[in-house]
Amino acid sequence: SQELEQSPQSLIVQEGKNLTINCTSSKTLYGLYWYKQKYGEGLIFLMMLQKGGEEKSHEKITAKLDEKKQQSSLHITASQPSHAGIYLCGASWRGSGNTGKLIFGQGTTLQVKP
Amino acid sequence: NAGVTQTPKFQVLKTGQSMTLQCAQDMNHNSMYWYRQDPGMGLRLIYYSASEGTTDKGEVPNGYNVSRLNKREFSLRLESAAPSQTSVYFCASSEFGGSSYNSPLHFGNGTRLTVT
Repeated sequence: SQELEQSPQSLIVQEGKNLTINCTSSKTLYGLYWYKQKYGEGLIFLMMLQKGGEEKSHEKITAKLDEKKQQSSLHITASQPSHAGIYLCGASWRGSGNTGKLIFGQGTTLQVKP
Repeated sequence: NAGVTQTPKFQVLKTGQSMTLQCAQDMNHNSMYWYRQDPGMGLRLIYYSASEGTTDKGEVPNGYNVSRLNKREFSLRLESAAPSQTSVYFCASSEFGGSSYNSPLHFGNGTRLTVT
């Protein structure tokens, strides 16, 4: 959806390197969700952010929400081959359209080279 | 912990054939959703059901129908399959409207559908 833009679309990093994925909303966010998907499998929920400035971590993955920019960043420290996959951000927005459904970005494909 | 279960996992159809994709969740969630995933386009919402007895269109509803059979089950039907419906279909559920108005979606493992 153009309402939610992810960058970059793909990323190849050397094992041990840090990386950042961004997700930018064109509307005021109510909730921002990060998911990971391995090839041929379903989406695994990583983290949910609701408030500006909020930061959450899951193992070596940290996500932050910048309310001013309506943007979230996902940062992986010391990447490992197990981090490889597709990362998707999903968003909900305030107002009459909030029925729990999420709109998703296009996804970022991450490869980690050993 | 079953979570969200989708059947079948794979399906090949010929143009014009019909089929129903089944989805069931065991988490007592109020809301259920059907998405399709296509290369380069992310996930797009087809239909959703905010509560038992209600269904609403998402971004790409044309060519599909849904039934919220009960609180656990939400099925997606293709009445006359077209090659453009070749995709991976995901069912999801959330507790939205129950204990929270900002809840993550929990996804099944998907159905890979090919229409020839």
